[in-house]
Amino acid sequence: GEDVEQSLFLSVREGDSSVINCTYTDSSSTYLYWYKQEPGAGLQLLTYIFSNMDMKQDQRLTVLLNKKDKHLSLRIADTQTGDSAIYFCAANYGGSQGNLIFGKGTKLSVKP
Amino acid sequence: EAGVAQSPRYKIIEKRQSVAFWCNPISGHATLYWYQQILGQGPKLLIQFQNNGVVDDSQLPKDRFSAERLKGVDSTLKIQPAKLEDSAVYLCASRPAGIGGAITAGELFFGEGSRLTVL
Repeated sequence: GEDVEQSLFLSVREGDSSVINCTYTDSSSTYLYWYKQEPGAGLQLLTYIFSNMDMKQDQRLTVLLNKKDKHLSLRIADTQTGDSAIYFCAANYGGSQGNLIFGKGTKLSVKP
Repeated sequence: EAGVAQSPRYKIIEKRQSVAFWCNPISGHATLYWYQQILGQGPKLLIQFQNNGVVDDSQLPKDRFSAERLKGVDSTLKIQPAKLEDSAVYLCASRPAGIGGAITAGELFFGEGSRLTVL
């Protein structure tokens, strides 16, 4: 069945760039998303990319999509301690509006 | 604009007891979702409503879980009887309907979740 996989942990120093990677299996996924979850909070959409795009930049965030390899990455420039959170990759599937499969999440730790 | 409201935030019950969670989506959002997030995992879709009709409940354990969305606004998710493996955060999310049902990039707005612990 459909699946989304991502590495579980990433640790960086404040000011460095963070790169979180994700792979997905459903080639029909139209949109791919990055959500952020802080402790005790719900998920917050960070950014998304349409499947016919290779790259999307939004301030400190850069999303790269390799559709051939079904690989998605999120780069956070100048990572701050406030960026510490769990980041979820998600892909829509099955052609249904808004049904998302989520990865297990990557816990980003930013050290001062 | 008020966000997605969920209650209770925390609930502790013993196995075989029942529990109900409530969700009030953002006003005007036609689509409502319930997700289950087990510790250390990503959210998993349980059920999707479009207005007051069920669109997808293929992953809902129907022998113990039920959900309804009367009048197409608020929704309740019930578990009866609860099992230990039901310990999780239950997330409600909503989004406005896409034009003509087309797939859109429309953001899912999540509530803060209801954390269930089954002892």
